[in-house]
Amino acid sequence: DGGITQSPKYLFRKEGQNVTLSCEQNLNHDAMYWYRQDPGQGLRLIYYSQIVNDFQKGDIAEGYSVSREKKESFPLTVTSAQKNPTAFYLCATNMDVGETQYFGPGTRLLVL
Amino acid sequence: AQKITQTQPGMFVQEKEAVTLDCTYDTSDQSYGLFWYKQPSSGEMIFLIYQGSYDEQNATEGRYSLNFQKARKSANLVISASQLGDSAMYFCAMREGSGGYQKVTFGTGTKLQVIP
Repeated sequence: DGGITQSPKYLFRKEGQNVTLSCEQNLNHDAMYWYRQDPGQGLRLIYYSQIVNDFQKGDIAEGYSVSREKKESFPLTVTSAQKNPTAFYLCATNMDVGETQYFGPGTRLLVL
Repeated sequence: AQKITQTQPGMFVQEKEAVTLDCTYDTSDQSYGLFWYKQPSSGEMIFLIYQGSYDEQNATEGRYSLNFQKARKSANLVISASQLGDSAMYFCAMREGSGGYQKVTFGTGTKLQVIP
């Protein structure tokens, strides 16, 4: 089946711990994005990547890191520098800039 | 100024009735695009409809239509014949710019509840 998968569905982080959220797609899309959603708010862009081995910071990149070693994968690491990581994280992809973005099912990150 | 404004935090609609969700936007670009997404309680963002700034006709997709009023900078979503499964958060979004990366900005959403 074609689509975007995110794992895990729920993730718990301890203080001072780095955690990695997975985003995989088999749509052959070039561009991938990470968004953060807080309750009662819209989505805010963390990082985006238009091609393999290249990525750019979004509006709220501090405390996060990404890699894009393969076209299909765009993992997001939430580092210990991110002091308020509790949120819903959504990965999105599109074929090219300007095209409609399609979203994965999301990962909910909670701090213990 | 907010790029995307959704002034209705919550809306109720009777099943089988039509409902309009408001969205106004702010941009100085001539080329831009407007999107509506649905987010059910499961969390996934589902693409509903798209309108380009140069499109002369209002976009329609099944029971969804986008009432695009360029001069007023509004892009309201109309859902006809509401169904219980339409209960969800609805987000308006705008893509700006041309060439290179085109940023997408999301509104804060409207929670729609369909009443049987």
